[in-house]
Amino acid sequence: QSVLTQPPSVSAAPGQKVTISCSGSSSNIGNNHVSWYQQLPGTAPKLLIYDNNKRPSGIPDRFSGSKSDTSATLGITGLQTGDEADYYCGTWDSSLSAGLFGGGTKLTVL
Amino acid sequence: QVQLQQSGPGLVKPSQTLSLTCAISGDSVSSNSGAWNWIRQSPSRGLEWLGRTYYRSQWKNDYAVSVKSRITINPDTSKNQFTLQLNSVTPEDTAVYYCAGGLWYQGLGFWGQGTLVTVSS
Repeated sequence: QSVLTQPPSVSAAPGQKVTISCSGSSSNIGNNHVSWYQQLPGTAPKLLIYDNNKRPSGIPDRFSGSKSDTSATLGITGLQTGDEADYYCGTWDSSLSAGLFGGGTKLTVL
Repeated sequence: QVQLQQSGPGLVKPSQTLSLTCAISGDSVSSNSGAWNWIRQSPSRGLEWLGRTYYRSQWKNDYAVSVKSRITINPDTSKNQFTLQLNSVTPEDTAVYYCAGGLWYQGLGFWGQGTLVTVSS
């Protein structure tokens, strides 16, 4: 069971918007930066969001991130079938002195 | 652009040592502003961060509690790469292992291709 809690699955129709939550504690999300990763089937995870809400070069602005207290949220607008993937949040835990990933959320674009 | 290339055996016997290498191009393992991580993924454990090595005037390591007694991550400056050693493996260590570059506040922006390691006799 992951220290960072994500919903196992979310779904929405093409063109719609979806949000994925990531809940932690003061030792991790509450005092550290959150990043989000997209993993397409059979591939390595890919960085989507870093420092809570920043996008690396090449990531479309359909993807956004936010953080409040001990929770973070990934938002995806204008859903496309190509967005079907597993999404993971990640952060550092200051008490554990270790990196953490959420359990992952499977996005289905209906 | 940073690229990471993994190498190592895909099959390890129980109780033996799992060893993987991650070769870096486009950056230096000795960078004062980076970190080099190992992560694994299995259906039962999801994505699991294992540890990292980084250089800040001296070499430092951080390891996950779950593997702390069995893991060593070392830099190899002569070949610009870093290695993972996991001792006393069991079938529970069967997973896809990834190397990744980056600090958590910057995000893990560069990933190796992944290596499926099966622990079996």
